[in-house]
Amino acid sequence: EPEVTQTPSHQVTQMGQEVILRCVPISNHLYFYWYRQILGQKVEFLVSFYNNEISEKSEIFDDQFSVERPDGSNFTLKIRSTKLEDSAMYFCASSPTGGIIGEYFGPGTRLTVT
Amino acid sequence: KQEVTQIPAALSVPEGENLVLNCSFTDSAIYNLQWFRQDPGKGLTSLLLIQSSQREQTSGRLNASLDKSSGRSTLYIAASQPGDSATYLCAVDNNDMRFGAGTRLTVKP
Repeated sequence: EPEVTQTPSHQVTQMGQEVILRCVPISNHLYFYWYRQILGQKVEFLVSFYNNEISEKSEIFDDQFSVERPDGSNFTLKIRSTKLEDSAMYFCASSPTGGIIGEYFGPGTRLTVT
Repeated sequence: KQEVTQIPAALSVPEGENLVLNCSFTDSAIYNLQWFRQDPGKGLTSLLLIQSSQREQTSGRLNASLDKSSGRSTLYIAASQPGDSATYLCAVDNNDMRFGAGTRLTVKP
């Protein structure tokens, strides 16, 4: 069964550094999402992406975040200058229909900012 | 703004019990509702998805119901096992998914 994959599984970075989290959505899906989960807290929506542009973003998704679909398969989340509070699990998801039949989640990337 | 609440926050039961987890949401204009399982430090495993036009879905010992008009869903787990111990998350989708804080379930042998 096709699945969403994410790399790396764990990333450790120093405060102020840039990180890029990578996701390969399911190949025929058209809608892409990033979520994050700070340890012990709720899973929170960050951004949705469709037709090569952001369709919706939350208040968390400020100017230090950006997303890109650089080629036909990858979907990336960049954090420009990481802060300690960016430490979290980041989940990528994709959907063929914009949510009507659900989103498929990747296994997550654990980001640790030191 | 959609708010999703899950009750109880934690639940501990002896093996073999049937149990019900509750989820409520404030905006009934949803595409679907999903129940996920999350093991400590791990990703999200989708258990059941109920589309807005559906009332319930079943998979093995799991049954999820949806009452969109009242903004409620329940996840019923029959004959619970220690391997069911995990956090169960409810999420509703109206363009993007909003998650509840989860119910942490412990099933004691």
